[in-house]
Amino acid sequence: DAKTTQPNSMESNEEEPVHLPCNHSTISGTDYIHWYRQLPSQGPEYVIHGLTSNVNNRMASLAIAEDRKSSTLILHRATLRDAAVYYCILVTGANNLFFGTGTRLTVIP
Amino acid sequence: KAGVTQTPRYLIKTRGQQVTLSCSPISGHRSVSWYQQTPGQGLQFLFEYFSETQRNKGNFPGRFSGRQFSNSRSEMNVSTLELGDSALYLCASSLRGISGNSPLHFGNGTRLTVT
Repeated sequence: DAKTTQPNSMESNEEEPVHLPCNHSTISGTDYIHWYRQLPSQGPEYVIHGLTSNVNNRMASLAIAEDRKSSTLILHRATLRDAAVYYCILVTGANNLFFGTGTRLTVIP
Repeated sequence: KAGVTQTPRYLIKTRGQQVTLSCSPISGHRSVSWYQQTPGQGLQFLFEYFSETQRNKGNFPGRFSGRQFSNSRSEMNVSTLELGDSALYLCASSLRGISGNSPLHFGNGTRLTVT
């Protein structure tokens, strides 16, 4: 089964960039990498996804290693509203999802 | 545009009972998927429905089942409840479904407590 591993927690100062890593060494060629974040008492919220190339959107950037065994979610300037648990998820070609354990991001004012 | 609505928000049941949870997707979304979230196991995929057909199922026992109606609303049923079924149950809707890699829009969940 596809698996992802993430650090349990990370801290960042407000307005600094944040790099959230995810390892997915058993990824298959058709597996997509998705990132979601979850605030307290809410369902997860979509952040970004990609397959092979780096991706950018208004919320974040996703950097995918050349061998695709790891990826990094980049928040360019952390704000207090970015404090959440960030999940790295593999979406397989067989319509299945495998969630990481999540990284709790603390943003320090 | 209204978001994904899950009802009820909280539920307390006794071991051995059964429970039905409801999920109303975003208008126009034909995919509804369900997830279990617990402190011990984290987030786990239960199943996905697309246009009333179950597309895939995660690694859960047959006590967990679901269905989707013609208006895309979905229900999840858990029979013969066990203490370990206590969890936050989340549903998500999407335009093209999990295989289409369209973003999942989650509801805020139903918190089920089994005593």
